[in-house]
Amino acid sequence: DIVVTQSPDSLAVSLGERATINCKSSQSVLYSSNNKNYLAWYQQKPGQPPKLLIYWASTRESGVPDRISGSGSGTDFALTISGLQAEDGAVYYCQQYYTTPYTFGQGTKLEIK
Amino acid sequence: EVQLGESGGGLVQPGGSLRLSCVASGFTLSSYWMSWVRQAPGKRLEWVANIKQDESEKYYVDSVKGRFTISRDNAKNSLYLQMNNLRAEDTAVYYCVRDLAYFDCWGQGTPVTVSS
Repeated sequence: DIVVTQSPDSLAVSLGERATINCKSSQSVLYSSNNKNYLAWYQQKPGQPPKLLIYWASTRESGVPDRISGSGSGTDFALTISGLQAEDGAVYYCQQYYTTPYTFGQGTKLEIK
Repeated sequence: EVQLGESGGGLVQPGGSLRLSCVASGFTLSSYWMSWVRQAPGKRLEWVANIKQDESEKYYVDSVKGRFTISRDNAKNSLYLQMNNLRAEDTAVYYCVRDLAYFDCWGQGTPVTVSS
């Protein structure tokens, strides 16, 4: 199974600043035939299901603001949220869908100061 | 509006069974792979199983193989998860999700508690 590890486990960032969450997979999730990275990012707020933010490592889901972006390739990825707003406080998960079993990172809790 | 609604969760004793259901609205279930994803208290999300549009392919995480069965009824726009021989470690909120390999639509989840 592909192990997905996020860092840090939690972070606190001030309003208006930038937060970066990292995600590392135990093997490459880049599919050479189509040059796509099989990695997604989700946001989860308390009592709610996860919400898809990013897929193919850097494609924003419809309705996701452009201050949220994804980057990286192969085994190392990042989610960056710029101009932090109070509503961004949540737990963020990355997920590989290169192969089953699809696996998630352990989550990163983002606190807005 | 695309929506998924789960039901069937509850409290069950170890070794017992439950059948979860999920009804889709706002889209045609038969056009999509579908998955179940669970989240145990304080734990990371865990993909459980998925099923192809015509049920010709089904995949499971190792920890549920032989105990859980995923199925669907496209005519009823419904997805199911039959869970047998339940264990304490199956305690979680179970989400029905639309599976594009990434998960673009999630239900609100149904809680399952396995305890004596």
